[in-house]
Amino acid sequence: DAGVIQSPRHEVTEMGQEVTLRCKPISGHDYLFWYRQTMMRGLELLIYFNNNVPIDDSGMPEDRFSAKMPNASFSTLKIQPSEPRDSAVYFCASNLGGGKEQFFGPGTRLTVL
Amino acid sequence: SQQGEEDPQALSIQEGENATMNCSYKTSINNLQWYRQNSGRGLVHLILIRSNEREKHSGRLRVTLDTSKKSSSLLITASRAADTASYFCATDANAGNMLTFGGGTRLMVKP
Repeated sequence: DAGVIQSPRHEVTEMGQEVTLRCKPISGHDYLFWYRQTMMRGLELLIYFNNNVPIDDSGMPEDRFSAKMPNASFSTLKIQPSEPRDSAVYFCASNLGGGKEQFFGPGTRLTVL
Repeated sequence: SQQGEEDPQALSIQEGENATMNCSYKTSINNLQWYRQNSGRGLVHLILIRSNEREKHSGRLRVTLDTSKKSSSLLITASRAADTASYFCATDANAGNMLTFGGGTRLMVKP
């Protein structure tokens, strides 16, 4: 398996633009997680899905952020409109559940100018 | 909020020395995990220790868990320059398969 795949790897955009981050989890994994990492706040869980259903989105910072998982092999995290404070590295991870190890993608480095 | 807090925040040692990193957490847990992150990369799982275990080994890694003190330590023996990375503890606090990560320890191993 290729592991968790994220695209794009880098994204530079201007304030106010819509940004869409994509993730393909490891095949067979029932859980998918979206995290954000910054120097100031560390690694924060934004939202996670079980069998394509959002379970906990309490970490989503505000209504500008939305996430979807239309099928077991694809998820998106959308920011609309983007702001400079959204600049961070966004990670997607997946696992089999039960508190087992999570497998992380390489991340998307987002810069909002 | 962060469940786990690592100590120290940064550690610099010479190749061949041992590196010890500590993690403290606040609530009861099912398990505690350690991850490694190389600069510019995603996190990689190193080891998982369950709440009923006290010590676990994996190669040059040794993890201890003291649930009475709500703390864990990660020991890397005979460190190598390639061990240079950030190390994070993460706790599974019986909250529906969610992990809460600490702030990490940045380890630098000088050749």
